[in-house]
Amino acid sequence: GAGVSQSPSNKVTEKGKDVELRCDPISGHTALYWYRQSLGQGLEFLIYFQGNSAPDKSGLPSDRFSAERTGGSVSTLTIQRTQQEDSAVYLCASKGGGADTQYFGPGTRLTVL
Amino acid sequence: SQQGEEDPQALSIQEGENATMNCSYKTSINNLQWYRQNSGRGLVHLILIRSNEREKHSGRLRVTLDTSKKSSSLLITASRAADTASYFCATDAIGGNEKLTFGTGTRLTIIP
Repeated sequence: GAGVSQSPSNKVTEKGKDVELRCDPISGHTALYWYRQSLGQGLEFLIYFQGNSAPDKSGLPSDRFSAERTGGSVSTLTIQRTQQEDSAVYLCASKGGGADTQYFGPGTRLTVL
Repeated sequence: SQQGEEDPQALSIQEGENATMNCSYKTSINNLQWYRQNSGRGLVHLILIRSNEREKHSGRLRVTLDTSKKSSSLLITASRAADTASYFCATDAIGGNEKLTFGTGTRLTIIP
């Protein structure tokens, strides 16, 4: 596609529920990144994919967070048993073609009630 | 965690004036990138400067990088109302697995 897309745009859920956030990177981009932006913590790295592998998961805050990428394209970030502190904007970025620039999607705003 | 700080945290200037934002970081880097964010959503890439570069221009933007001081600045000349946004620097650290570490951001308001 023309740019990175993310869905849903907004998600409101109840504490304890599971949520799935989706990212469609720019076509052909092999690297994919998830970040989180919250009021208290600013912009934080979560996980990095190169193809379908995740060489760096160091930013995932707890074992309730997981992500996968299939076919070297779409990625899903799953948060289990959501907590109020998970409320944030979740941003996805992709990179490819030998360039160093990461291109970001519009984000998913997650609100946990 | 965030690598560095940006200052000022907030800046308000009259349309047509120049705006300068500064970024400091902590580790050795491959490159530094500046992004703009409107309304707390997606980040728009503005410019990338590599560690062996000292200055770079793109339209009304000028970025400088001083690796000895671990600092960068972003200058926006002849500001416009549409430049109102938050601006973030982000570093790609050497040995950092290509992830970006962001600064705290500067909230820029252009007064028409």
